[in-house]
Amino acid sequence: GAGVSQSPRYKVAKRGQDVALRCDPISGHVSLFWYQQALGQGPEFLTYFQNEAQLDKSGLPSDRFFAERPEGSVSTLKIQRTQQEDSAVYLCASSLARTRSYEQYFGPGTRLTVT
Amino acid sequence: SQQGEEDPQALSIQEGENATMNCSYKTSINNLQWYRQNSGRGLVHLILIRSNEREKHSGRLRVTLDTSKKSSSLLITASRAADTASYFCATDARGAQKLVFGQGTRLTINP
Repeated sequence: GAGVSQSPRYKVAKRGQDVALRCDPISGHVSLFWYQQALGQGPEFLTYFQNEAQLDKSGLPSDRFFAERPEGSVSTLKIQRTQQEDSAVYLCASSLARTRSYEQYFGPGTRLTVT
Repeated sequence: SQQGEEDPQALSIQEGENATMNCSYKTSINNLQWYRQNSGRGLVHLILIRSNEREKHSGRLRVTLDTSKKSSSLLITASRAADTASYFCATDARGAQKLVFGQGTRLTINP
């Protein structure tokens, strides 16, 4: 079946522009996660949804970052007024689990470059 | 900030040899997972070991977990060129769903 998909795969933004990154999780997966991965580093947690509820947004680095999942399926990560330090790969993952930890399935990521 | 450290940061071996990577973490966990990432691609789940397990096997992979030392190791036996990738351990703390990743080990298998 189809895995997690993300779009766009690559995005170049000028500093100060707003960007929107999309994630389509695996159908039926309850949990959805966003991670940020800087070059040469491991992914770092940004935010977590269970269905449409955003249960944890402790990893969002500033109030310029906003995520939503209005119908409990597709999610969008929005970054306002992008800065150079926002350049990274943004990974989305989904999981079947609701109450206990389980493996997460990752999308290919969106590579964001802020110039 | 990341949960733990992986050791070594980079490893280069000949095809057919075994590769061992280590991971240390800081807090109590529900389970520990290992992921592989090929250059420019997403992460692929390899294996999950629960906090009450000590060893787990999957094909050529063997994972151990020592909760008293807060450490894990991943052994890849009979390595192949296709195993060249970065390998990450990830933990989830009790009561949390998010994964906390280490910085990864870059493994290169030389043909």
